[in-house]
Amino acid sequence: DGGITQSPKYLFRKEGQNVTLSCEQNLNHDAMYWYRQDPGQGLRLIYYSQIVNDFQKGDIAEGYSVSREKKESFPLTVTSAQKNPTAFYLCASSWTSASGNTIYFGEGSWLTVV
Amino acid sequence: QQQVKQSPQSLIVQKGGISIINCAYENTAFDYFPWYQQFPGKGPALLIAIRPDVSEKKEGRFTISFNKSAKQFSLHIMDSQPGDSATYFCAALSRKTSGSRLTFGEGTQLTVNP
Repeated sequence: DGGITQSPKYLFRKEGQNVTLSCEQNLNHDAMYWYRQDPGQGLRLIYYSQIVNDFQKGDIAEGYSVSREKKESFPLTVTSAQKNPTAFYLCASSWTSASGNTIYFGEGSWLTVV
Repeated sequence: QQQVKQSPQSLIVQKGGISIINCAYENTAFDYFPWYQQFPGKGPALLIAIRPDVSEKKEGRFTISFNKSAKQFSLHIMDSQPGDSATYFCAALSRKTSGSRLTFGEGTQLTVNP
């Protein structure tokens, strides 16, 4: 089935650890995105990428890093510099044509600091 | 800076009633306005979307009304059903040379009582 796959669904991080969330899409979309969701704050953009080997910071990039080595993959690393990483993380992808930009989301990953 | 403001934060409607959620934006560069529906623990799913050259779009029980001069748009859910109980997000798309990005409202938690 075509879609966006995020893994793991649940992840626990100890203080001082880096963790990486995986995002893979087989929709042949050019653009990929990472959003963070906290209760009552909607979705906030962390990083986005329009093409392979290029990505841009979103509104809350501090403490996060990404890579885009392949079109279908856009992993997010939550570093120890992110002081409040407990949240629901959502990966998304879309076409980049000027006529439309429907953005599709994965099922999300829950990250908890223990 | 909150560029898309959504209200109300929560909404309770009786089965068969009309649910109305409102959004306002500031950036006139936004050119695509989708609404997403999210169930607990799941990623948001596109519900309906509108472009600013159209004042209304209807798909089944869901209608978007768009007022470009007031920079406001709203979602109307007719004949609301308990299965519509979810969190709804409005969003607005801006396009830059670095890529397109969605800005989300803070969300409305809708409860439809049977």
